[in-house]
Amino acid sequence: SQQGEEDPQALSIQEGENATMNCSYKTSINNLQWYRQNSGRGLVHLILIRSNEREKHSGRLRVTLDTSKKSSSLLITASRAADTASYFCATLRASGTYKYIFGTGTRLKVLA
Amino acid sequence: DGGITQSPKYLFRKEGQNVTLSCEQNLNHDAMYWYRQDPGQGLRLIYYSQIVNDFQKGDIAEGYSVSREKKESFPLTVTSAQKNPTAFYLCASSISPGTYGYTFGSGTRLTVV
Repeated sequence: SQQGEEDPQALSIQEGENATMNCSYKTSINNLQWYRQNSGRGLVHLILIRSNEREKHSGRLRVTLDTSKKSSSLLITASRAADTASYFCATLRASGTYKYIFGTGTRLKVLA
Repeated sequence: DGGITQSPKYLFRKEGQNVTLSCEQNLNHDAMYWYRQDPGQGLRLIYYSQIVNDFQKGDIAEGYSVSREKKESFPLTVTSAQKNPTAFYLCASSISPGTYGYTFGSGTRLTVV
């Protein structure tokens, strides 16, 4: 079953613009992660945010978490053509099982 | 360099055949996972293992089997009972799933011919 749902499903922006994608989930979580996947490749871990954190930064990435709304957002600032990829959120439920549930992803295209 | 190696990169299966996908890691991670990804979709969990000689079914385990005889290896067998096996298969590992993210392999694309 899918825990996370990303929004939008697809996003196309110009190089230099900011890209924002959102993830909503259904149950209480331990933490939430964001991953990037280039076409036909494995996923690359970007950032992990715990349920007691509200915001984290890593380079050009900014992640926020609102547990009251069961949602998270990933902001990529000053986007580059190399940021073109699919982005997935993954949630670890607070129930103690050590398996992440992935969303359906946002396909980001950055136009040069 | 440490990492996860999946092989082969492409695999073709005839109807009624069992095939085994390899996943090897040298990261000294205890936890290993198999996910299936269909075109334009997210990842669905097939099986996972927290320690050697132990594994649990994920959300879509029917038609698949695994073993975990060594810490480094977590092979996935796609049996003839899996009626729609064409997909992209991803193996992942983690040293501490509640604290750190997954490290993924580069995937195996399985096609039924």
